Amino acid sequence: SQQGEEDPQALSIQEGENATMNCSYKTSINNLQWYRQNSGRGLVHLILIRSNEREKHSGRLRVTLDTSKKSSSLLITASRAADTASYFCATDAGANNLFFGTGTRLTVIP
Amino acid sequence: EPEVTQTPSHQVTQMGQEVILRCVPISNHLYFYWYRQILGQKVEFLVSFYNNEISEKSEIFDDQFSVERPDGSNFTLKIRSTKLEDSAMYFCASSEAGEQEAFFGQGTRLTVV
Repeated sequence: SQQGEEDPQALSIQEGENATMNCSYKTSINNLQWYRQNSGRGLVHLILIRSNEREKHSGRLRVTLDTSKKSSSLLITASRAADTASYFCATDAGANNLFFGTGTRLTVIP
Repeated sequence: EPEVTQTPSHQVTQMGQEVILRCVPISNHLYFYWYRQILGQKVEFLVSFYNNEISEKSEIFDDQFSVERPDGSNFTLKIRSTKLEDSAMYFCASSEAGEQEAFFGQGTRLTVV
């Protein structure tokens, strides 16, 4: 299975702090994508990083990818209460499907 | 901003009944997907669809499931004879090309009773 596994499963921080979530996977990938899901809602695409990229930024988000360690991290800087959600990594091995991890539940306390 | 839309948002059906979940992908996208998420579990891939045919499917996508693109805008998932374990949130997604960002709809919560 190439499914990603996020770490930690749950994270609680104060507003303004940074949040770091990690994802590990098992097989070679073409790209890795991060998604956010608010409780009971749809998946919102955050960022895609390709296997030949090491770091990518989008606003307050920073994603790194280490293909030698088969791991990725998502950093949210200066967190806000509205960032409270579950965050998932999803790996794409080029077969037109995504394998999702179990997610990290982030709680940002105002 | 273009988005994937799904209807209905919630469907309750009796075990053994057929259900059709509907999706309107983003208009210029060529790849379409269905995923499901059983409550409290991972999002699981069901099927991908390109050029009017299935390109990939998972073990979950057995003979009870089928997909169709009946016209130029809709993409449907049919479950022929629903089982209790089919209860889940079903997400439709689309992408402009393979290996690109996949954009998801808000989901249809299917409850089989």
